[in-house]
Amino acid sequence: EVQLVETGGGLIQPGGSLRLSCAASGFTVSSNYMSWVRQAPGKGLEWVSFIFSDGSTSYADSVKGRFTISRDNSRNTLYLQMNSLRAEDTAVYYCARPPRYWGQGTLVTVSS
Amino acid sequence: DIQMTQSPSSLSASVGDRVTITCQASQDISNYLNWYQQKPGKVPKLLIYDASNLETGVPSRFSGSGSGTDFTFTISSLQPEDIATYYCQQYDNLVTFGGGTKVEIK
Repeated sequence: EVQLVETGGGLIQPGGSLRLSCAASGFTVSSNYMSWVRQAPGKGLEWVSFIFSDGSTSYADSVKGRFTISRDNSRNTLYLQMNSLRAEDTAVYYCARPPRYWGQGTLVTVSS
Repeated sequence: DIQMTQSPSSLSASVGDRVTITCQASQDISNYLNWYQQKPGKVPKLLIYDASNLETGVPSRFSGSGSGTDFTFTISSLQPEDIATYYCQQYDNLVTFGGGTKVEIK
């Protein structure tokens, strides 16, 4: 059974950094296209980043240069390193193995 | 970047009504389009993939059609459990979601 469990969210001050983790089971992260999607409170879904099985990555313009997607094959885990956080980054962050498998999400709140 | 214009942003319909949501892409995306359902406080759920393919286990009252730039999502007979927000998503060039359609019961 495919499972995705995100951790690492929390309250962080503007300008701070946070690393989200997405532990996967039931499949191999490195062999799949993986993605991060976020949803600000009361708002719609916004794609953040993806990583292909060959390691190539892409980012939404809103996070480019501040966020980095990566994976640890030995831990079968996907990461999202978030730097220079802003209030507008406040959202629930979902890890996904597109198109059908999503984690439960982890809330990131950027506030002083 | 590809923009996805989804309409309407909300709708109210009666149980048993036919409900239609449209999504227009700013450029040709072939059939690289998915439809998701998200209930309040829940994770998005895939309903339709590749524009017109019904995900396994999803009721047949849900359907999708279209290709190129214009896409349609239909609920043939609205049920109370269909109350949710629906999103289209293109994956032809990066990924973009439509703004969502909130479906309510009249």
